[in-house]
Amino acid sequence: NAGVMQNPRHLVRRRGQEARLRCSPMKGHSHVYWYRQLPEEGLKFMVYLQKENIIDESGMPKERFSAEFPKEGPSILRIQQVVRGDSAAYFCASSPPARGRQETQYFGPGTRLLVL
Amino acid sequence: SQKIEQNSEALNIQEGKTATLTCNYTNYSPAYLQWYRQDPGRGPVFLLLIRENEKEKRKERLKVTFDTTLKQSLFHITASQPADSATYLCALPTPSSASKIIFGSGTRLSIRP
Repeated sequence: NAGVMQNPRHLVRRRGQEARLRCSPMKGHSHVYWYRQLPEEGLKFMVYLQKENIIDESGMPKERFSAEFPKEGPSILRIQQVVRGDSAAYFCASSPPARGRQETQYFGPGTRLLVL
Repeated sequence: SQKIEQNSEALNIQEGKTATLTCNYTNYSPAYLQWYRQDPGRGPVFLLLIRENEKEKRKERLKVTFDTTLKQSLFHITASQPADSATYLCALPTPSSASKIIFGSGTRLSIRP
């Protein structure tokens, strides 16, 4: 059973370009979470999605950031018009469907975004 | 808003000793608390979950306690080994959503041979 897959592992963009980060959850998992980690800081929740639904996006910046988890294919975190402050490691996690609560999350290896 | 504090940024322990990491939280009573391990350049790996009605939980050389009165969890690694060197993160669900987890900034543990 493959773990959570993220690609690319490293992404370099110039200011103003778009960044697309992909996440394939573990097999059987229908819940996906995105986190951002700045150097020497903790993980910050961004968004929680189920298939075709955004459940909680309270951690997403209001502008330039969007996320989706289509019926088929990976979850995508999209950052438009990137700025230097977007440089960070972006982690995706997934969890299985559960009655009521989703507790343990399984993390991918992350995508390290560098904005020049 | 909820706050999580982990005792120190870095902890240096002699191999074979017990490492103890602290996680304090404020402002509410979570239904559970988790500990994760993160190695450089990698994603966090889930280690243990302890619920509010559990005082202690063990897994091999790991032991976690949960004191809801003190609003504190202690994470112990007994007979520590250099391979235990990593950053350890404490995490709690938020009161508004059990699916939204907030993480502490972590404690970087180094075990010297």
